[in-house]
Amino acid sequence: GEDVEQSLFLSVREGDSSVINCTYTDSSSTYLYWYKQEPGAGLQLLTYIFSNMDMKQDQRLTVLLNKKDKHLSLRIADTQTGDSAIYFCAEIVDYGGSQGNLIFGKGTKLSVKP
Amino acid sequence: KAGVTQTPRYLIKTRGQQVTLSCSPISGHRSVSWYQQTPGQGLQFLFEYFSETQRNKGNFPGRFSGRQFSNSRSEMNVSTLELGDSALYLCASSLFTSALYQETQYFGPGTRLLVL
Repeated sequence: GEDVEQSLFLSVREGDSSVINCTYTDSSSTYLYWYKQEPGAGLQLLTYIFSNMDMKQDQRLTVLLNKKDKHLSLRIADTQTGDSAIYFCAEIVDYGGSQGNLIFGKGTKLSVKP
Repeated sequence: KAGVTQTPRYLIKTRGQQVTLSCSPISGHRSVSWYQQTPGQGLQFLFEYFSETQRNKGNFPGRFSGRQFSNSRSEMNVSTLELGDSALYLCASSLFTSALYQETQYFGPGTRLLVL
């Protein structure tokens, strides 16, 4: 079945770059997403990439997609303490006639040290 | 535009009771999906509604049900609550312009349910 894997923890120093990695299994996924969750909050959409793209940049965020290896990464430049949160990678699985459902990884907890 | 709203934000119930959670999608969004988040299982898809019809369902028992109204607002119901139903229940809405085109899902803040 579909599965999304990501490492559970990442610790960086303020000002450094953070790279969060993710692997997915469904090669038919049309979109891949990164969501952010702060303590006690819902999911905030950070960015997404269409499956026919290799890279997408959005201000401090860079998403790289290696479709051959089914590997997705999120790079946060100049990481700030406010970036401390859990980051979820997700693929969309299409069941035809619906919007499909998101398959999420377990989330990577990013800790930013001042 | 207002985001996805969910009510109530927090809820405490006892085993055996039933609960109804409500979700109002972003204005103009017609598809509503529900997800359950627990520390052990992570985020799992419950079901999706569009045009008052369930379009897709995850692997949850029949105690979990939902519905959607003509204004796209949705409710989910859990009957005969179990301790393991304690979770954050998240609602997401998307535009749904076409079944051939997947729209981004935007999430609400969630309803945190505690079953004692």
